Amino acid sequence: GNSVTQMEGPVTLSEEAFLTINCTYTATGYPSLFWYVQYPGEGLQLLLKATKADDKGSNKGFEATYRKETTSFHLEKGSVQVSDSAVYFCALSDNFGNEKLTFGTGTRLTIIP
Amino acid sequence: DAGVTQSPTHLIKTRGQQVTLRCSPISGHKSVSWYQQVLGQGPQFIFQYYEKEERGRGNFPDRFSARQFPNYSSELNVNALLLGDSALYLCASSLDIYQPQHFGDGTRLSIL
Repeated sequence: GNSVTQMEGPVTLSEEAFLTINCTYTATGYPSLFWYVQYPGEGLQLLLKATKADDKGSNKGFEATYRKETTSFHLEKGSVQVSDSAVYFCALSDNFGNEKLTFGTGTRLTIIP
Repeated sequence: DAGVTQSPTHLIKTRGQQVTLRCSPISGHKSVSWYQQVLGQGPQFIFQYYEKEERGRGNFPDRFSARQFPNYSSELNVNALLLGDSALYLCASSLDIYQPQHFGDGTRLSIL
């Protein structure tokens, strides 16, 4: 079945540092890939998505590229802010649709001023 | 526009009891999905409904059931509660099965 493996956390960085959170997946067919962010006490917010190989999703300075050859979707940001502190989840959906999201275990990110 | 709304926000039950959680999707959204998020883990898929029909079910026991109403709102029912059912239950809605899912803030269920 489908699975998502995320970089173990927690991750602590200084403000303005470069961020990479690794995500690899196992899936059949042509899944869509997502990054969701969860702030304390809240639900998940969609951060970015990519629906096919070599697509780059981007939002709020975050980027991730759908790499089918390495089955990866790593999240990057060039200069993090304190407000980026949250838990980040990598996820995939079955085939072209957006049914049945499969999530990774999440990576807690803390940014120190 | 209002986002996905879930009620109640918090709930405390004892083992063996039954619980009903409610979800109102974003206006115009016809698909609703339910997820269970145990502390420190990623959400696990429970059900998806689209146009009042069940489209998918995750690996959860028959104690878990759900339904979607004509106004597209949804309920998740859990019978014979176990300690392991303690979790954050998240509802997500989308326009259809091809659009991204938008999550509510969840219902935190604690089983004593």
